[in-house]
Amino acid sequence: QVQLVESGGGLVKAGGSLRLSCAASAFTFSDFYMSWIRQAPGKGLEWLADISASGETIHYAESVRGRLSVSRDNSRNTLFLQMTPLTADDTALYYCVRGTLWFGELSFDFWGPGTLVTVSS
Amino acid sequence: QSMLTQPPSVSGAPGQRVTLSCTGSSSNIGAGYDVNWYQQFPGMAPKLLIYVNTNRPSGVPDRFSGSKSGTSASLAIAGLQAEDEADYYCQSYDSSLSGYVFGTGTKVTVL
Repeated sequence: QVQLVESGGGLVKAGGSLRLSCAASAFTFSDFYMSWIRQAPGKGLEWLADISASGETIHYAESVRGRLSVSRDNSRNTLFLQMTPLTADDTALYYCVRGTLWFGELSFDFWGPGTLVTVSS
Repeated sequence: QSMLTQPPSVSGAPGQRVTLSCTGSSSNIGAGYDVNWYQQFPGMAPKLLIYVNTNRPSGVPDRFSGSKSGTSASLAIAGLQAEDEADYYCQSYDSSLSGYVFGTGTKVTVL
């Protein structure tokens, strides 16, 4: 069964940087779009970015564009997220999510358990 | 800032039918972009419930159904059960943001 496991979360100082990884298994990673979606404590879901199966095409949310970089290594079935500089507003649970394209749009069909990032001032 | 508006809460008695609304605009649902729905239990990751407006992934009970019309979409839960207590989010694509947007979320309570 599809597994996505995020790692790299923790306590980070404001102004610092964040690097998360997501290990994927039990599906052909290189066939699927992947996304990062976050959820601040007690709040709703916010899509951050998606990356095509080959890694050639990446889209970022306006709210994080310029601070966020997403990449993937299909040989290692791993998705990455890098973000800098961080602010308190970046405190959230970060989800690694598989996307399936339907008529040119993604539905997010499998989610990892998430990794918590806390930004301290 | 969410471009999809959902009622904060909806409640119903066991066995009742409830409907959750998701109101968008001409740059997302009204532009013809599809709607997906997710169910999230406390402390858990969201789970895809409905994709491409009306389709259920394998394993999702047929008590859950989705529809879309104009600038809005709806999720209906027929025969409400205690295990349906959760948060529900709609999601679509928004052309003005050039990205995906989620609804504000609805908490379903079974009375």
